[in-house]
Amino acid sequence: SQQGEEDPQALSIQEGENATMNCSYKTSINNLQWYRQNSGRGLVHLILIRSNEREKHSGRLRVTLDTSKKSSSLLITASRAADTASYFCATDTTGTASKLTFGTGTRLQVTL
Amino acid sequence: SAVISQKPSRDICQRGTSLTIQCQVDSQVTMMFWYRQQPGQSLTLIATANQGSEATYESGFVIDKFPISRPNLTFSTLTVSNMSPEDSSIYLCSVGLGGQGKETQYFGPGTRLLVL
Repeated sequence: SQQGEEDPQALSIQEGENATMNCSYKTSINNLQWYRQNSGRGLVHLILIRSNEREKHSGRLRVTLDTSKKSSSLLITASRAADTASYFCATDTTGTASKLTFGTGTRLQVTL
Repeated sequence: SAVISQKPSRDICQRGTSLTIQCQVDSQVTMMFWYRQQPGQSLTLIATANQGSEATYESGFVIDKFPISRPNLTFSTLTVSNMSPEDSSIYLCSVGLGGQGKETQYFGPGTRLLVL
């Protein structure tokens, strides 16, 4: 299936450290998005990167996209306990969000 | 953006019964979606809810098990029919605004379902 694979599946770091999670996918995409989910609740959109972009920043978030390797990474700098959540990448082949395919997710735990 | 609410937020149901989940959006939207998230897993798209016509189901999901209604551009329901413990999941509604620069989806808070 198109579903992306994320690694690591789980990541535990201390507050102040950086967290990096990776996403790989299988087919050509229009864009790739990252979402956060707190404790089994609804997802919150974090950042979108289009297929013609290589890097994007938003606050403490940095996303890279390598379409030749069909992979993306999400870096959270200076992590906080409030960053504890599951993070999902989602690929969009249409460019209209009419069909997103979600990755397997990374569970991030930030400890004090 | 869009603000989405779901009812109920959680429920515990007996096997063989059905549960209808409601999704309400604070503005008219073209695209509404229903996802299932099994325990510890990622999201799987069940169907796209189409206003004025039948929902479009993904492979592995059928209308008899997951009937969907979408009577207008702000509201949709998903019914989980003849439930079994394997249906225990979080069910999420989302909307897409479509158009250039609106390629994201906005999610409701989810309905946590436990089937005994």
